[in-house]
Amino acid sequence: DQQVKQNSPSLSVQEGRISILNCDYTNSMFDYFLWYKKYPAEGPTFLISISSIKDKNEDGRFTVFLNKSAKHLSLHIVPSQPGDSAVYFCAASDHTGNQFYFGTGTSLTVIP
Amino acid sequence: DAGITQSPRHKVTETGTPVTLRCHQTENHRYMYWYRQDPGHGLRLIHYSYGVKDTDKGEVSDGYSVSRSKTEDFLLTLESATSSQTSVYFCAISDGGGHNSPLHFGNGTRLTVT
Repeated sequence: DQQVKQNSPSLSVQEGRISILNCDYTNSMFDYFLWYKKYPAEGPTFLISISSIKDKNEDGRFTVFLNKSAKHLSLHIVPSQPGDSAVYFCAASDHTGNQFYFGTGTSLTVIP
Repeated sequence: DAGITQSPRHKVTETGTPVTLRCHQTENHRYMYWYRQDPGHGLRLIHYSYGVKDTDKGEVSDGYSVSRSKTEDFLLTLESATSSQTSVYFCAISDGGGHNSPLHFGNGTRLTVT
């Protein structure tokens, strides 16, 4: 049973616009959330994370928002660039931190 | 980039043969993980290790075993490969056991079982 869900398999955005990627989770014990970016034939690369004590974390063009009551997080990329075209995975872990659970990924295409 | 090397990068093997994948890290991180990536499933945890000789199962551990005799090496063994184990396998490391410590991944091993 998928504990972390990314319901949009793909997303296309114009260069310069905002990209919003969404993620939902079911386990209320999750307290640490991450986003990864993956290019073909490479391993996932860590982008940004957020702890459950926060509702927003920002790093340059990337911002992650966490809505604990809705068990929902989102990644905003502003402005989007063609190099952002990749598959994005969200992930979550609980307080033990021993296991990370990943979503199925969203393929982002930024159109020049 | 985190110093993680996976070998081999590609492997084709026949059903029923044993296969061992190797992950080597130069970061001296305590935690190491094996994930598999399949279409429609994302990344799923196979096994992880929280120290030398300390390992535990993940969500898809059936048909796999692991060993960690040194901090830097984490081996994944398929005792008798099946076609359902055709996948891309990723090793990951973490210095803090995951809590507020992100995973860093290797570049993967593409395994094909014919």
